[in-house]
Amino acid sequence: GQQVMQIPQYQHVQEGEDFTTYCNSSTTLSNIQWYKQRPGGHPVFLIQLVKSGEVKKQKRLTFQFGEAKKNSSLHITATQTTDVGTYFCAGPYSGAGSYQLTFGKGTKLSVIP
Amino acid sequence: DVKVTQSSRYLVKRTGEKVFLECVQDMDHENMFWYRQDPGLGLRLIYFSYDVKMKEKGDIPEGYSVSREKKERFSLILESASTNQTSMYLCATILSSGYNEQFFGPGTRLTVL
Repeated sequence: GQQVMQIPQYQHVQEGEDFTTYCNSSTTLSNIQWYKQRPGGHPVFLIQLVKSGEVKKQKRLTFQFGEAKKNSSLHITATQTTDVGTYFCAGPYSGAGSYQLTFGKGTKLSVIP
Repeated sequence: DVKVTQSSRYLVKRTGEKVFLECVQDMDHENMFWYRQDPGLGLRLIYFSYDVKMKEKGDIPEGYSVSREKKERFSLILESASTNQTSMYLCATILSSGYNEQFFGPGTRLTVL
């Protein structure tokens, strides 16, 4: 079945350093979504990428979708303690009308002040 | 303000008990999902429902059943709880914002003793 792999599983950075998490799918995706889960919280939607090679920015966060639409990345510039949490990518199951997602296992980011 | 509510934030049950986890959404969407989240394993789909009285198995349905009698309510049932079902359970529906992202409830942390 469809698999979405995400690396690294954990990342510890000093505040101010950059951070990147990578997501790879075993199949071509129509789109990819990114979620953030703060400690003790629930996943919250961040963004969706649809087009091949698409790049979107949200302040210090930069999201990229690969040309082949099988991989994606999230890059955070100059991390802050507010960035702490687990970041998940998710791709849709194939099948018309399906809202089902396959989630990566997530990257847990720790920021050392 | 859109909401997904789950009946309990924390729950402690004994092995063999029948456990009901309730989820209610006010987004009037047909699709609802139940996930379990375990450290290092990410979000794994247990069951989802695409309409009242309709359900589909996810990746790990064994030991669980679901009920969707009304559009706004989706229940997860552990017929006979076991210690390996100790986990965080997350309910989600779809936020029809244009991205069709999943909107999660706060989660229920279930401990089975």
